[in-house]
Amino acid sequence: QSALTQPPSVSGSPGQSVTISCTGTSSDVGSYNRVSWYQQPPGTAPKLMIYEVSNRPSGVPDRFSGSKSGNTASLTISGLQAEDEADYYCSSYTNSNTWVFGGGTKLTVL
Amino acid sequence: QVQLQQSGPGLVKPSQTLSLTCAISGDSVSSNSVGWHWIRQSPSRGLEWLGRTKYRSKWYNDYAVSVKSRITINPDTSKNQFSLQLNSVTPEDTAVYYCARGKQWALDFWGQGTLVTVSS
Repeated sequence: QSALTQPPSVSGSPGQSVTISCTGTSSDVGSYNRVSWYQQPPGTAPKLMIYEVSNRPSGVPDRFSGSKSGNTASLTISGLQAEDEADYYCSSYTNSNTWVFGGGTKLTVL
Repeated sequence: QVQLQQSGPGLVKPSQTLSLTCAISGDSVSSNSVGWHWIRQSPSRGLEWLGRTKYRSKWYNDYAVSVKSRITINPDTSKNQFSLQLNSVTPEDTAVYYCARGKQWALDFWGQGTLVTVSS
């Protein structure tokens, strides 16, 4: 199972919006609404930010939103804040009863 | 609140077996609505899903193809924990290993991570 494709880095100024893409195949992202997104500041464990494409766990700000079209899922962060600077990873359930992660995207808040 | 506490050695010799344990509080390893996963992270491989165990009237395991011949994940209902065993390790297995709870196709609670170095 190949990793999902994410851009290595994105950046934005405080208050702006950024979108991180996550491209898979018809065997994973395209098959199910089972995409999740994780935030990982340096030296910490990943934290769930979005599940089932667009649902936010309790406590995650509504500045974080998710969507999907075909084989590509997206995470949008609006009203960017300094505390959002971290690595972001997408993940998808696959038709082999496994999970696959993206390569990660480093978000820099300018 | 679910908490996962990992334990196990941080150094393993090549060709030996890597063994880690994840103790669960706030949930049950036998819950029939969640799964229990192992993931690892290294600079060269990024985040890599390794496998999971789940209970649905009986136990089921799913493993990543990349480690399927070497991995075992076992639940321990008496201690409410689950374990990872990875056989025949090489330096490429050096990584931070995480356990996590799976619910609604996502990983909502994670352990603290354990750096495992494979070296003689």
